[in-house]
Amino acid sequence: QQQVKQSPQSLIVQKGGISIINCAYENTAFDYFPWYQQFPGKGPALLIAIRPDVSEKKEGRFTISFNKSAKQFSLHIMDSQPGDSATYFCAATFVRDKIIFGKGTRLHILP
Amino acid sequence: DVKVTQSSRYLVKRTGEKVFLECVQDMDHENMFWYRQDPGLGLRLIYFSYDVKMKEKGDIPEGYSVSREKKERFSLILESASTNQTSMYLCASSPETSGSVETQYFGPGTRLLVL
Repeated sequence: QQQVKQSPQSLIVQKGGISIINCAYENTAFDYFPWYQQFPGKGPALLIAIRPDVSEKKEGRFTISFNKSAKQFSLHIMDSQPGDSATYFCAATFVRDKIIFGKGTRLHILP
Repeated sequence: DVKVTQSSRYLVKRTGEKVFLECVQDMDHENMFWYRQDPGLGLRLIYFSYDVKMKEKGDIPEGYSVSREKKERFSLILESASTNQTSMYLCASSPETSGSVETQYFGPGTRLLVL
């Protein structure tokens, strides 16, 4: 019930294409859904986040789509660039600062 | 800018050794966390702390202990290192938010190899 299931494990996208990473959860008590981005040799860093009272949040080329009834949310990266190549983690939380992470998606953008 | 630093980027230890991983944050954050990151398993929470001298078990505390004697410093201790503790260890911190959620800020990680 506390799991966040993330897919795919790895993704290869052509430069300029759309990268899509999906996550699903079971626990309806989750009330905050962040995405973290991790470059090789670095720790994860917050990329974008959404609360369940909205269905979409956009920041530049990054968009979170949220489907509360299906208990699913996804990250879309528009016009994907080689600099977006990284590992992406979706996450969910409802208890004070304890974050449940997905297993991660390794994204590679072909130049 | 928030800065979380970890004492070593790479560490090689032998089975049975006692290992100390140090983490320091410079933003006066109340909350600190230790995770391990393994391929295909994502980030798993080992221990966390909401205040000095306080500690809480995460999802995989077995084989680990922690110490938080000062607010800015959170240490992870492997009492007797084993080969299955070979991993990337990540420290994170976040401010006190009275029940709501705040961003966690991560250090660069320590890659530990236990031989």
